[in-house]
Amino acid sequence: EDQVTQSPEALRLQEGESSSLNCSYTVSGLRGLFWYRQDPGKGPEFLFTLYSAGEEKEKERLKATLTKKESFLHITAPKPEDSATYLCAVKTGANNLFFGTGTRLTVIP
Amino acid sequence: ETGVTQSPTHLIKTRGQQVTLRCSSQSGHNTVSWYQQALGQGPQFIFQYYREEENGRGNFPPRFSGLQFPNYSSELNVNALELDDSALYLCASSLDRRAAYNEQFFGPGTRLTVL
Repeated sequence: EDQVTQSPEALRLQEGESSSLNCSYTVSGLRGLFWYRQDPGKGPEFLFTLYSAGEEKEKERLKATLTKKESFLHITAPKPEDSATYLCAVKTGANNLFFGTGTRLTVIP
Repeated sequence: ETGVTQSPTHLIKTRGQQVTLRCSSQSGHNTVSWYQQALGQGPQFIFQYYREEENGRGNFPPRFSGLQFPNYSSELNVNALELDDSALYLCASSLDRRAAYNEQFFGPGTRLTVL
């Protein structure tokens, strides 16, 4: 059975304190791993897609990496506006996304 | 280019009623997926529509049904509402379901409350 686990559930960082969020997955036939950012009461905002182990993508203070079993979202020198829930999702043989429960990030000024 | 839009923003219904939620896909996108997100959870896949036909369904009962129109906009219908149907309903569009690699872009969601 496909499974996506995100850790930690919640993370509090001081502004400028770098850290990483983890997404581990057990799926058959990975066809892509997706990272989204979601603000309270809003729809998820697309960040990155990773397709193969070893792939890395960057956007501003965020960097996503992928191995055969997990993905990391590294946040470098975060700012308060980076506070949000970060969702990881996988796409397998079906065309839908299978989501984890997210990591709620709070960045304190 | 407009993004994915959804209506209404909020909705309050009572148990047993029926509801229709609407979604307009992003320009050029022919595939629409619907998700249910309960509070504190990740979105759960309901179903996907491609060129007006259902193309995959998650673990949701038949009282959840949908439509896609020739302009690729879509509706989600829920009959016999239950308290547990209270959630944020998200619509996502993507370029073409046949593409091996394509991203899904989400709308702002409809917050449904069932009393």
